[in-house]
Amino acid sequence: NAGVTQTPKFQVLKTGQSMTLQCAQDMNHNSMYWYRQDPGMGLRLIYYSASEGTTDKGEVPNGYNVSRLNKREFSLRLESAAPSQTSVYFCASSEYREDTQYFGPGTRLTVL
Amino acid sequence: GENVEQHPSTLSVQEGDSAVIKCTYSDSASNYFPWYKQELGKGPQLIIDIRSNVGEKKDQRIAVTLNKTAKHFSLHITETQPEDSAVYFCAPGKGGGADGLTFGKGTHLIIQP
Repeated sequence: NAGVTQTPKFQVLKTGQSMTLQCAQDMNHNSMYWYRQDPGMGLRLIYYSASEGTTDKGEVPNGYNVSRLNKREFSLRLESAAPSQTSVYFCASSEYREDTQYFGPGTRLTVL
Repeated sequence: GENVEQHPSTLSVQEGDSAVIKCTYSDSASNYFPWYKQELGKGPQLIIDIRSNVGEKKDQRIAVTLNKTAKHFSLHITETQPEDSAVYFCAPGKGGGADGLTFGKGTHLIIQP
């Protein structure tokens, strides 16, 4: 099992460009999450999907949209990237909402 | 929302010594208390967790203790080894992290040879 995979690993954007970060899990988990990690800030929840077909805002949702494409895949979209969105983005999944979260390797995004 | 504080931010110990990292939280409804380890360039990985009906849990060299009254829990690592060098995060939550976890800002643990 690959666990949680994320693409791309690295990305550089110009201000105003759009892009989608992809996440997939092969553990048949019901819940999926997107976090961002900034230096000295820990990880902050952007959006989560408790189950297929549902999505909810987390602590820092502004400037992002998500899609739970199917049970395996959960994508994060930046419609108009801003320098403040420069960060490392992590996707995570858990079997149920109450269970342990497993993290992917991250996407390092730089917005110029 | 949950306010999480983690101390210290950096901890340097001699190989073989013990390390203790403390996490305080504000939400008395929190009932799930995990610790994550993050190595350079990787995602966080769960190393140990505890639920509110248990005061202590141990797994080989690592242990977590919980004081719900005082709203803090701690990570204990004994007989530290070079591979323990990493950033450690606490992430208390409700319902087992149902709506995501609230992460502390991390503790950089350095093991000196």
